[in-house]
Amino acid sequence: NAGVTQTPKFQVLKTGQSMTLQCAQDMNHEYMSWYRQDPGMGLRLIHYSVGAGITDQGEVPNGYNVSRSTTEDFPLRLLSAAPSQTSVYFCASSYSRTAMNTEAFFGQGTRLTVV
Amino acid sequence: QQPVQSPQAVILREGEDAVINCSSSKALYSVHWYRQKHGEAPVFLMILLKGGEQKGHDKISASFNEKKQQSSLYLTASQLSYSGTYFCGTADVTGKLIFGQGTTLQVKP
Repeated sequence: NAGVTQTPKFQVLKTGQSMTLQCAQDMNHEYMSWYRQDPGMGLRLIHYSVGAGITDQGEVPNGYNVSRSTTEDFPLRLLSAAPSQTSVYFCASSYSRTAMNTEAFFGQGTRLTVV
Repeated sequence: QQPVQSPQAVILREGEDAVINCSSSKALYSVHWYRQKHGEAPVFLMILLKGGEQKGHDKISASFNEKKQQSSLYLTASQLSYSGTYFCGTADVTGKLIFGQGTTLQVKP
């Protein structure tokens, strides 16, 4: 099993460009989520999904879109990148439909810089 | 709303003990603890469910007081490998996992 795979690992964007961060898991996990990590701010939840076809907003959803057409994939889209979106992005998944009672497995992260 | 962790940073000598606290203003169903090394992804340590249980993992243990919406992580006889940033994550009735701002732990020889 590969676990949670994120691509790309590094990305530089110009302000206003769009892109999609990919996240895939091969553990048949129901719950998937996206976090951004900024110095001193910890991990902040952007969007999450409790199963295919179901997504919801987290703490900092503005500027990001998600979809969940399959159990395995949970891409994060930046529609018009801004310097404030410079961050490290982590995708995580859990076995159950909620994150309440099972551990979260994290991908290795995507370091995004918007210039 | 993010849970609040304290302290923000701790510096220890090998063999010393540390306590990291996590509190929330919301009713909690579970508390998670993770450790992140520099440049790496967070790694799961333990999860505590409603019921006030205490869990242990080698010399690292944790408690969860659901009435006070608080959890504490106890690191005893710290080792160099314990260095990193520790995050508590809380899950409420919505089921989503929200993390605190992290506590940086540095263990010196």
